[in-house]
Amino acid sequence: AQTVTQSQPEMSVQEAETVTLSCTYDTSESNYYLFWYKQPPSRQMILVIRQEAYKQQNATENRFSVNFQKAAKSFSLKISDSQLGDTAMYFCAFMKRTSYGKLTFGQGTILTVHP
Amino acid sequence: EAGVVQSPRYKIIEKKQPVAFWCNPISGHNTLYWYLQNLGQGPELLIRYENEEAVDDSQLPKDRFSAERLKGVDSTLKIQPAELGDSAVYLCASSLDFSTEQYFGPGTRLTVT
Repeated sequence: AQTVTQSQPEMSVQEAETVTLSCTYDTSESNYYLFWYKQPPSRQMILVIRQEAYKQQNATENRFSVNFQKAAKSFSLKISDSQLGDTAMYFCAFMKRTSYGKLTFGQGTILTVHP
Repeated sequence: EAGVVQSPRYKIIEKKQPVAFWCNPISGHNTLYWYLQNLGQGPELLIRYENEEAVDDSQLPKDRFSAERLKGVDSTLKIQPAELGDSAVYLCASSLDFSTEQYFGPGTRLTVT
């Protein structure tokens, strides 16, 4: 079974600064996807970024980028130029290519952006 | 484009009572998911539908939980009877198919007293 571990229960950052959220996972699979989801206090889960394991290039989406280290099974999220609206719970998630949509989530990291 | 709609947003019931949650996925999305999210934790998949067929319900506690997706569109998740430990947020998500992005609804927060 796959496991996803987020070792930082809470993080905080000043507005406009950069913060990195950590995620490690355990799997014997070679074909899989990794995701970061954001869940603001309103509870609606939103996809932030997605990485396909066979792609060596790290995914980026505007201010959000990942550092994907396949051998180390590490998948960290970097948020640049943090904004107050980035305050949320962030979940790392894993999906086997053959699991037909089954996501395995980590425990989450609460990120607070301070003005 | 309307997102995933869930109702009710909040529900408070006494233990041993039945409860039902409703989900309307994004139009055209064939795959529908129900997740359970306990406080301070990540969601856990309960059941997944491809159109009207439940293709993965291995995590659904079938002694008290049931789900249906009539005509492959709306879905209902039911608990009967509810227990104190069922207090959680129940999330619905949908996607075009199992390989594409899952869009989540706002969830239903259930409190069992």
